[in-house]
Amino acid sequence: QVQLQEAGPGLVKPSETLSLTCAVSGYSISSGYYWGWIRQPPGKGLEWIGSIYHSGSTYYNPSLKSRVTISVDTSKNQFSLKLSSVTAADTAVYYCARQEYGDSDHFDYWGQGTLVTVSS
Amino acid sequence: QSALTQPASVSGSPGQSITISCTGTSSDVGSYNLVSWYQQHPGKAPKLMIYEVSKRPSGVSNRFSGSKSGNTASLTISGLQAEDEADYHCCSYGGSSTFPNWVFGGGTKLTV
Repeated sequence: QVQLQEAGPGLVKPSETLSLTCAVSGYSISSGYYWGWIRQPPGKGLEWIGSIYHSGSTYYNPSLKSRVTISVDTSKNQFSLKLSSVTAADTAVYYCARQEYGDSDHFDYWGQGTLVTVSS
Repeated sequence: QSALTQPASVSGSPGQSITISCTGTSSDVGSYNLVSWYQQHPGKAPKLMIYEVSKRPSGVSNRFSGSKSGNTASLTISGLQAEDEADYHCCSYGGSSTFPNWVFGGGTKLTV
């Protein structure tokens, strides 16, 4: 059973960098698939942030690209998100998910999500 | 790329059928058969219900079906049950092989 678990600070100050990690169990990141980050502001819809392959190849949402960095650590079977220069608009529940891309296209396993609030 | 357009809310009675629309553009929904749908109960993570427009993952009830016409995709739930009450989100692939992009809809709240 594939499981994903987000971890990181629940409160970040404006202008600082948001950092989250997603630990994967039940599947080796090195075996394939893309791994993505999606966020959901309170009361709003989902927004794709970016995705990474085990090789390190990344794709980012054009609207966030200048502030986002996604990396992977196959030795720890986890991947990470960094979002710089955050503002209140970045307050959201952040989800990590396994992503099928290529032959198909969908997010099939999701973490439970973690709420990150941007406030001083 | 703008978010896909979904109705804010739909409702139906137990046993009835409802359809949720998801309108995009010729750059995303209209160009690729890569629309997926997710069910989200309050405080929970999204769950994949439909992928590639009309395919159901193992374990998802056949009461859920998907279709697409032009730039609009649709999710139909037949034989509504109380547990179907949730938010539903559509998602479509867009962009290019060099710069892929995924765009979600604003979500639709289903009341049963």
